[in-house]
Amino acid sequence: QITLKESGPTLVKPTQTLTLTCTFSGFSLSTSGVGVGWIRQPPGKALEWLALIYWDDDKRYSPSLKSRLTITKDTSKNQVVLTMTNMDPVDTATYYCAHRSLVGAMDYWGQGTLVTVSS
Amino acid sequence: DIQMTQSPSTLSASVGDRVTITCRASQSISSWLAWYQQKPGKAPKLLIYKASSLESGVPSRFSGSGSGTEFTLTISSLQPDDFATYYCQQYNSFTWTFGQGTKVEIK
Repeated sequence: QITLKESGPTLVKPTQTLTLTCTFSGFSLSTSGVGVGWIRQPPGKALEWLALIYWDDDKRYSPSLKSRLTITKDTSKNQVVLTMTNMDPVDTATYYCAHRSLVGAMDYWGQGTLVTVSS
Repeated sequence: DIQMTQSPSTLSASVGDRVTITCRASQSISSWLAWYQQKPGKAPKLLIYKASSLESGVPSRFSGSGSGTEFTLTISSLQPDDFATYYCQQYNSFTWTFGQGTKVEIK
């Protein structure tokens, strides 16, 4: 069974860099067609797609945040890491990682982790 | 970038009602559209993928249709467990986009 779990700081200061780790089980990120994505949701607001990494290390980023985001994978550890630079209070949100299925949609999600940006 | 516009933003309905939510893409996305249900404090749940394919385990009262730029999610007979927020998402292009959400409330 597929599970994903996000981990990282719950509080970061403005201008700092956020590093989040998605640790997963039940699938391999070396399997053709598979991917892991990051999505965030500010309190009371809509979902926003951030980034996606594929089994072949192809990486995709939200155009509006591309300059601040880096996504990497460690297949041996079953982990995907997202870094976001220059954090601002508007980046306060619940951050989710999710499994991209072979049919393209996000079929398994982590529980999410709330990150607050405040001095 | 492909923009996704959902309507309505909020929908008030009663148990047993037929409910339809619309999602429009700013350009053609073929059938590369998914629908998710989200309840407060929980992660989204995949309902429909490839515009009309029902995810395993999802009740058959949920259905999706459309292609190109216009899509709909229909709940044939609204149940108490269905009061939630629904999002569409396109995954046609190299970058993905969610709609702004439709909250289904109790009338």
